Amino acid sequence: DTAVSQTPKYLVTQMGNDKSIKCEQNLGHDTMYWYKQDSKKFLKIMFSYNNKELIINETVPNRFSPKSPDKAHLNLHINSLELGDSAVYFCASSGLENEQFFGPGTRLTVL
Amino acid sequence: AQTVTQSQPEMSVQEAETVTLSCTYDTSESNYYLFWYKQPPSRQMILVIRQEAYKQQNATENRFSVNFQKAAKSFSLKISDSQLGDTAMYFCAFMPRTSGTYKYIFGTGTRLKVLA
Repeated sequence: DTAVSQTPKYLVTQMGNDKSIKCEQNLGHDTMYWYKQDSKKFLKIMFSYNNKELIINETVPNRFSPKSPDKAHLNLHINSLELGDSAVYFCASSGLENEQFFGPGTRLTVL
Repeated sequence: AQTVTQSQPEMSVQEAETVTLSCTYDTSESNYYLFWYKQPPSRQMILVIRQEAYKQQNATENRFSVNFQKAAKSFSLKISDSQLGDTAMYFCAFMPRTSGTYKYIFGTGTRLKVLA
């Protein structure tokens, strides 16, 4: 059973489009995250939710909107995609031991 | 501001030898967690080892061990008996234990290549 899953794994789209990435964890964790990894492999936190409540919202354009329908799911919607949004997006969750479990990543390519 | 620095962008090691990856961090917190994550070419992020700052003893996981120097704010990773499968990006990460704070800060990574 996959602990943290993301769909899709690859996403290729045109500039200006709107797209969503879905994330689900079956670990029973309360906290979930979205990270962006750029082409230089730098990993930066974007958002964090704890039990469906937004607790971290880094300096991210408001074209990015996370949604947590329940504590097992954290989706990321991106409006009006730009070339600079091309990256790998990772979902993660953490529990009482505070170690993070990562999803497989979604490689987003904006053309 | 809390920062994590990995000063070695790339390293290589011969198979079966030992290599040490360095990590330093800056924080005013006294209680926190430190982690090393591995990202092989498959891009999956995998936890290698974790250390709680209040524990004096260095964490060990099989061939992986850390040298945690709290006063120096240093957290290096030693890989013994390096294997080809250890080839990956390695990220050091810091997380304060402050209540309600769940923010991880990652270093910029060290690309490790194990040579046959």
